Amino acid sequence: NAGVMQNPRHLVRRRGQEARLRCSPMKGHSHVYWYRQLPEEGLKFMVYLQKENIIDESGMPKERFSAEFPKEGPSILRIQQVVRGDSAAYFCASSPGGPNYGYTFGSGTRLTVV
Amino acid sequence: ILNVEQSPQSLHVQEGDSTNFTCSFPSSNFYALHWYRWETAKSPEALFVMTLNGDEKKKGRISATLNTKEGYSYLYIKGSQPEDSATYLCASPKGSARQLTFGSGTQLTVLP
Repeated sequence: NAGVMQNPRHLVRRRGQEARLRCSPMKGHSHVYWYRQLPEEGLKFMVYLQKENIIDESGMPKERFSAEFPKEGPSILRIQQVVRGDSAAYFCASSPGGPNYGYTFGSGTRLTVV
Repeated sequence: ILNVEQSPQSLHVQEGDSTNFTCSFPSSNFYALHWYRWETAKSPEALFVMTLNGDEKKKGRISATLNTKEGYSYLYIKGSQPEDSATYLCASPKGSARQLTFGSGTQLTVLP
């Protein structure tokens, strides 16, 4: 049971480039959540997905950010035209159901925009 | 309470001391309250998921209680050890949302 796998662990992008962050949920988990941790801040919700559906994207900036969780393959968080303010740790978590279930977190992707 | 709030922000205790900290959350539309431990350079790890008023959960030296009517939960650590040093997060769904909103955490340092 490999747990939640995130890659890459570290990602460096120049301003204006695209960043793609991947998350493979734990086996048997169909609910995926993305959170962002800005420097000196806590975990902030971005988006909640189930297979092929976005359930809640209220925490995700409307511009440049998108997320998907296709029928096959990992969930992808995509940031277009990155800016320095996007530098943060991005954590993915998965669960088998709703809020009654604990989340299993991945190790995170640390994005640095230079 | 409109958000998930934790206190204190940080705490230093001596090895062997018992300690506790607080999580406050919106009591209306309550669904569940989670506690996580987050060690430096690792990812958050679930400790407890609590759903019923009056719930008490225990895992080794760590225990938690829940009061959904007044909107608070306490986390207790008995006989703190240096390996308990971590940030402890609580989380609860906010409003009609199904995903968790996390508090800012209590950073615990246990001094040997």
